[in-house]
Amino acid sequence: GDSVTQMEGPVTLSEEAFLTINCTYTATGYPSLFWYVQYPGEGLQLLLKATKADDKGSNKGFEATYRKETTSFHLEKGSVQVSDSAVYFCARRGSGNTGKLIFGQGTTLQVKP
Amino acid sequence: EAQVTQNPRYLITVTGKKLTVTCSQNMNHEYMSWYRQDPGLGLRQIYYSMNVEVTDKGDVPEGYKVSRKEKRNFPLILESPSPNQTSLYFCASSRQGGETQYFGPGTRLLVL
Repeated sequence: GDSVTQMEGPVTLSEEAFLTINCTYTATGYPSLFWYVQYPGEGLQLLLKATKADDKGSNKGFEATYRKETTSFHLEKGSVQVSDSAVYFCARRGSGNTGKLIFGQGTTLQVKP
Repeated sequence: EAQVTQNPRYLITVTGKKLTVTCSQNMNHEYMSWYRQDPGLGLRQIYYSMNVEVTDKGDVPEGYKVSRKEKRNFPLILESPSPNQTSLYFCASSRQGGETQYFGPGTRLLVL
């Protein structure tokens, strides 16, 4: 069935390090793809999205490119900050017209000064 | 301010005692949804609503009920809570066909 798989966490980085969080998905078509971020004690916020193949979503220095060949949507940032410490969720649009989002299991990022 | 609100934010209850978690949005969104978040499983959809009086089951609806009598409100009802419903619950809303869903702050529920 439809699914999203993220790399296992937690990921611990030093400030200014390069970040990659891998995400792959299964789909019969080309669903919209999303990255959501959850800061401690808060709800999820949309970080970026891509609605078709080869699109690149970007926001706050984060980027992810919709790769249909590898069914991937990896999240990257060139230089992380302590304030980026959070849980990151990759998600895809569900099939049909339900509006459902299918989430990965989440990856915890901890950035140390 | 555009937002989704949930109440309560934290709740401890006992098995079998009915409870309701409220969700309200002020963006005039047609679509609303409930998710539960569990470690290692991400978020899973419980129920959703495409508009007033239109609701349907998500992936994990067992033990839950919902209603959508008004556009802005979408309460989640646990008629007889059990310990396996201990979880973090999120309400979300969006425009019909909209790509971006807006999430509430979450309700952490502990069922003893």
